[in-house]
Amino acid sequence: QKEVEQDPGPLSVPEGAIVSLNCTYSNSAFQYFMWYRQYSRKGPELLMYTYSSGNKEDGRFTAQVDKSSKYISLFIRDSQPSDSATYLCAMANSGNTPLVFGKGTRLSVIA
Amino acid sequence: ETGVTQTPRHLVMGMTNKKSLKCEQHLGHNAMYWYKQSAKKPLELMFVYSLEERVENNSVPSRFSPECPNSSHLFLHLHTLQPEDSALYLCASSQDSGHLGNTIYFGEGSWLTVV
Repeated sequence: QKEVEQDPGPLSVPEGAIVSLNCTYSNSAFQYFMWYRQYSRKGPELLMYTYSSGNKEDGRFTAQVDKSSKYISLFIRDSQPSDSATYLCAMANSGNTPLVFGKGTRLSVIA
Repeated sequence: ETGVTQTPRHLVMGMTNKKSLKCEQHLGHNAMYWYKQSAKKPLELMFVYSLEERVENNSVPSRFSPECPNSSHLFLHLHTLQPEDSALYLCASSQDSGHLGNTIYFGEGSWLTVV
């Protein structure tokens, strides 16, 4: 079983839809969870950062972590064409350990 | 503009060539990274430097050779590559090499094609 599983998509939604992006993981030691957004031909940029379980909201974006299920989600409300990108989840243990990335989900928001 | 600049943006090289990728960060960070991004695969960490000292090498083949002359510059020297090495090579930096709580800033990447 891969350490981090993420459906690569592509996922295509109409403008204004609520988008749900997900990752599952196998390492119960992961404590830190991140979502990166990567536009075409650009490097990834950090979108959301959460520690342990719970929710974090930032504008139209909500990150959710369920450690009991080893499942994390990123919700995008009122999606816009400018949200079209690849979204990568990443996670790490406590301590100075490297990030483990998912493969990324490609999202297209159609106007 | 993330403050991390990579050159060249695109590179095509033969399997017998020697070339280098260059990265420069203007953020005053102490840690720099090389990642490899292949189609349909997760981002793979290749090398980590903290204060110009290599702190991580994830079993990368010796045909990839990093160099960090100072905390602002990072190179990836390439020689006798294979076609499967074709990928996007991303440079990144952060305040220090602890990922936790440190935002990692990525460059736009260098697209490498090995023919």
